[in-house]
Amino acid sequence: RKEVEQDPGPFNVPEGATVAFNCTYSNSASQSFFWYRQDCRKEPKLLMSVYSSGNEDGRFTAQLNRASQYISLLIRDSKLSDSATYLCVVNGRSQGNLIFGKGTKLSVKP
Amino acid sequence: GAGVSQSPRYKVAKRGQDVALRCDPISGHVSLFWYQQALGQGPEFLTYFQNEAQLDKSGLPSDRFFAERPEGSVSTLKIQRTQQEDSAVYLCASSRGQGNEKLFFGSGTQLSVL
Repeated sequence: RKEVEQDPGPFNVPEGATVAFNCTYSNSASQSFFWYRQDCRKEPKLLMSVYSSGNEDGRFTAQLNRASQYISLLIRDSKLSDSATYLCVVNGRSQGNLIFGKGTKLSVKP
Repeated sequence: GAGVSQSPRYKVAKRGQDVALRCDPISGHVSLFWYQQALGQGPEFLTYFQNEAQLDKSGLPSDRFFAERPEGSVSTLKIQRTQQEDSAVYLCASSRGQGNEKLFFGSGTQLSVL
């Protein structure tokens, strides 16, 4: 089993739709969880950290389920500008060993 | 500049050549990371520094890959005897503290080995 797994998509949704991505991780000792966004041919940028109690930032909601070892990202009221690849990140065997998933591609259509 | 700077932006190498990729992190950032990203894949962890100490190099794919950060600031990733499978974008990132926090990425170096 890979350390961090994501459905590659693509997810093709209309503007205004709600879309959810899941990510599973293999290391039960992981303590740090993030979602990054990567636009085509650009570097990844932090979208949000994921906290144990779940957290929200505007239209974006992140959840952590430690028992099942997965994290999720929910995007409400999708915008054209949300089109990107969303990368799940989990810390691995050491503090700085941050493992990225392969990413889930989202395409929001008018 | 205010961000992470990487050079060169593009590098073409003949198979067997040695290459050196440079990363200038954000001033004052303690942690520095190198990642390798192949087309259509997520970034793959290579190595991590805290100041000048290389704390984790478990992701370096072979002994042809070597990274250093001698003064705890600028870092160089060196690849010896390049192979075609080394072709990828090499991303450098830095963070303010000790690693488990927001990473600021550079634009990457796209390496093509012919």
